[in-house]
Amino acid sequence: DVKVTQSSRYLVKRTGEKVFLECVQDMDHENMFWYRQDPGLGLRLIYFSYDVKMKEKGDIPEGYSVSREKKERFSLILESASTNQTSMYLCASSANRWEQYFGPGTRLTVT
Amino acid sequence: GENVEQHPSTLSVQEGDSAVIKCTYSDSASNYFPWYKQELGKGPQLIIDIRSNVGEKKDQRIAVTLNKTAKHFSLHITETQPEDSAVYFCAASPAGRGADGLTFGKGTHLIIQP
Repeated sequence: DVKVTQSSRYLVKRTGEKVFLECVQDMDHENMFWYRQDPGLGLRLIYFSYDVKMKEKGDIPEGYSVSREKKERFSLILESASTNQTSMYLCASSANRWEQYFGPGTRLTVT
Repeated sequence: GENVEQHPSTLSVQEGDSAVIKCTYSDSASNYFPWYKQELGKGPQLIIDIRSNVGEKKDQRIAVTLNKTAKHFSLHITETQPEDSAVYFCAASPAGRGADGLTFGKGTHLIIQP
């Protein structure tokens, strides 16, 4: 089975802090994605990567950056956390750019 | 851009009955339509998908139908069971894009009443 793990299930940070969310997949997938999930808004794509050291902006990249130094790891970075970034963050990986496997999510609260 | 609308937002059915969730999309160029199931405390899981060259696809108790002319697609779950209780999301992606092109519906909370 594909396993996508995220570094934390719950995280509480203060406004202005730099926040790192880590995602690791164990199936040698080339494609990885970061989403945020908010009630009533569904899933929205923040960034994605189709190769190591490659990154592309999704629909809502503002306030975020990413890093993909190794194939199995895709990190989401909040340079200066704000309260409107309080959300559930979901990482996904895919072998064929279509079928995504999601991690369990990180619920981030920014106070 | 693409707009995906999903109905209903909440659906309660008796165990053993069928459940139908409907989605409409706006971009006629969309050609990939996955459905995801999200259980409490977990990430979404792909349960079935369909491409625009197919009108219907089945996998045991789950089926998806696609009407390209009307730009809508539906998820059908027959003989519902308690473990079907979850939030279901539809999505659509245009030709030439992969999962990075997916636009998601806002979700349907399916409740199976014992």
